[in-house]
Amino acid sequence: DIQMTQSPSSLSASAGDRVAITCRASQGIGNDLGWYQQKPGQAPKRVIYAASSLQSGIPSRFSGSGSGTEFTLTISSLQPEDFATYYCLQHNSYPWTFGQGTKVEIK
Amino acid sequence: QLQLQESGPGLLKPSETLSLTCTVSAGSISSSTYYWGWIRQPPGKGLEWIGSFYYSGSSYYSPSLKSRVSISVGTSKNQFSLNLTFVTAADTAVYYCARQGLRGVGFWGQGILVTVSA
Repeated sequence: DIQMTQSPSSLSASAGDRVAITCRASQGIGNDLGWYQQKPGQAPKRVIYAASSLQSGIPSRFSGSGSGTEFTLTISSLQPEDFATYYCLQHNSYPWTFGQGTKVEIK
Repeated sequence: QLQLQESGPGLLKPSETLSLTCTVSAGSISSSTYYWGWIRQPPGKGLEWIGSFYYSGSSYYSPSLKSRVSISVGTSKNQFSLNLTFVTAADTAVYYCARQGLRGVGFWGQGILVTVSA
């Protein structure tokens, strides 16, 4: 199985800050990685697909980068509505695996 | 707009079988482009991929659940189901059905909480 190691597990930031979340895969997965945002009581929502492609309807302050084993989700200027938990998901090979999640909290 | 809706019992006793149905609207589970599957989330914890199935018959499951889980076409058109046998308290979670494809998970249901308690 491919293990996804996500860091940090949580972070505190202020509105307007730039934040970055990282996922590392235990083996190469090409660009078969997505990033998902989940707010309390809601289903997750994809924000990035194919490692760096912005999901339709998602603000351009979200960006993704990386390929192979190292991936990063960056929010260029954190907005109040961005405070949530973020997960990466590898879908290169079965079983698909999620990172442990990163909770982005208000400082 | 594609919609997925989970349904099923919200409370089970240990050793019972969890059976959930996902109803797909404005889309077809017989599409050759997508897989359909289930993901769960224990209260306060992270996401766990359960498995996927393709309408033509192939399916893939999490190794940790493989001996207890099956995903298949439902009894009605445009439905698919999840069965998980011999549940324990560790299976308490919100269960999401989802459309899966080459870009990962694109659409999610709203989720249904299933609690296992004696």
